[in-house]
Amino acid sequence: GENVEQHPSTLSVQEGDSAVIKCTYSDSASNYFPWYKQELGKRPQLIIDIRSNVGEKKDQRIAVTLNKTAKHFSLHITETQPEDSAVYFCAATYSSGGSYIPTFGRGTSLIVHP
Amino acid sequence: DAGITQSPRHKVTETGTPVTLRCHQTENHRYMYWYRQDPGHGLRLIHYSYGVKDTDKGEVSDGYSVSRSKTEDFLLTLESATSSQTSVYFCAISASPQKGNPNYGYTFGSGTRLTVV
Repeated sequence: GENVEQHPSTLSVQEGDSAVIKCTYSDSASNYFPWYKQELGKRPQLIIDIRSNVGEKKDQRIAVTLNKTAKHFSLHITETQPEDSAVYFCAATYSSGGSYIPTFGRGTSLIVHP
Repeated sequence: DAGITQSPRHKVTETGTPVTLRCHQTENHRYMYWYRQDPGHGLRLIHYSYGVKDTDKGEVSDGYSVSRSKTEDFLLTLESATSSQTSVYFCAISASPQKGNPNYGYTFGSGTRLTVV
């Protein structure tokens, strides 16, 4: 199976600063890497994803980078705002017998101070 | 909302009783998953399904069973609830990751908060 490590567990930044969350994975066969944002008491929601044939993807203030050789991927948030405060989860998806299994990191609690 | 609903939203049950949680989808997606979320552990996979009557275990399957008799429904049963199963349970769905599908992602339900006393 897959093992996903996520760091840091807590990240505190000032409004307007950048935030970076890093994840590593163990299974080189994993080929899909989504990121989720979970606000307090709510469901995780997909914010951005990347496939293994792409090195970087951007969507406005967020971007994800993937280094397949090193087996790590990162979430970058620029110009952070208080509403970015949430728990962020990374995931790596591997294939097992025709099924596609997402394994999640333990989450990063991002706090953006006004 | 999002084509996936979980029921009940909250439940309190006694130790030793069986409990069934329901996940219902209207997206006709092939894959369905049950996760539990606990502080410091993130989302851990309990069981998943890759089609009607096709299910398999995840990393924390002990004490849980599942059934999928229809595409739209995936049931999670705690055979004899214990206090260690107090958690928030999330169901997720996913389309088949067909080549060329730009984004198949995983959509989560709103969760069920289960308390075992």
